[in-house]
Amino acid sequence: GAGVSQSPSNKVTEKGKDVELRCDPISGHTALYWYRQRLGQGLEFLIYFQGNSAPDKSGLPSDRFSAERTGESVSTLTIQRTQQEDSAVYLCASSRTEGYFLETQYFGPGTRLLVL
Amino acid sequence: ILNVEQSPQSLHVQEGDSTNFTCSFPSSNFYALHWYRWETAKSPEALFVMTLNGDEKKKGRISATLNTKEGYSYLYIKGSQPEDSATYLCAFLTDSWGKLQFGAGTQVVVTP
Repeated sequence: GAGVSQSPSNKVTEKGKDVELRCDPISGHTALYWYRQRLGQGLEFLIYFQGNSAPDKSGLPSDRFSAERTGESVSTLTIQRTQQEDSAVYLCASSRTEGYFLETQYFGPGTRLLVL
Repeated sequence: ILNVEQSPQSLHVQEGDSTNFTCSFPSSNFYALHWYRWETAKSPEALFVMTLNGDEKKKGRISATLNTKEGYSYLYIKGSQPEDSATYLCAFLTDSWGKLQFGAGTQVVVTP
């Protein structure tokens, strides 16, 4: 079946502009995660959604970052007033069963964001 | 922020040789440890989810062991092939819902 998809695959923007990144999880996956990897650093947790529960936003680096998810489908990550330090690969992942910690997370190909 | 450390940061392996590398993680409040392989220009791919102390998992030429009491996991590649070249990530599960803390990865380059 189809995997996790993300769009756009690449995004170049100017400092101060807003950007919106999209993630389509695998159908039926109730949990959805956003991560990012800045140059030379490891994968950094940003936020996750689990079914109808309130999302865990503890990894969002500032209030310029926000994310939404429509039911158990598409999620968008919005970065307002982008800064150069926001340049990174943003990865989305989904997994089948909320609350079952043995579940593998399936990753999308990522969005490469460059803020000039 | 919990410390998940991977070493070495990178290694070069001759085709046919075996290799291994380490992931260390907090030994308290253990839920699970994930291993992923991330090839350039591709998505991270799950290798193993490990939960039990002493557990050993195997997938082809790749295997992993887990010691939750001392807080480390080893990943082994037997008879390395060029297609094994990738960054190998371990991730510590920080809660029961799937929130992962990743290590910085070990980049493996296998040369023919």
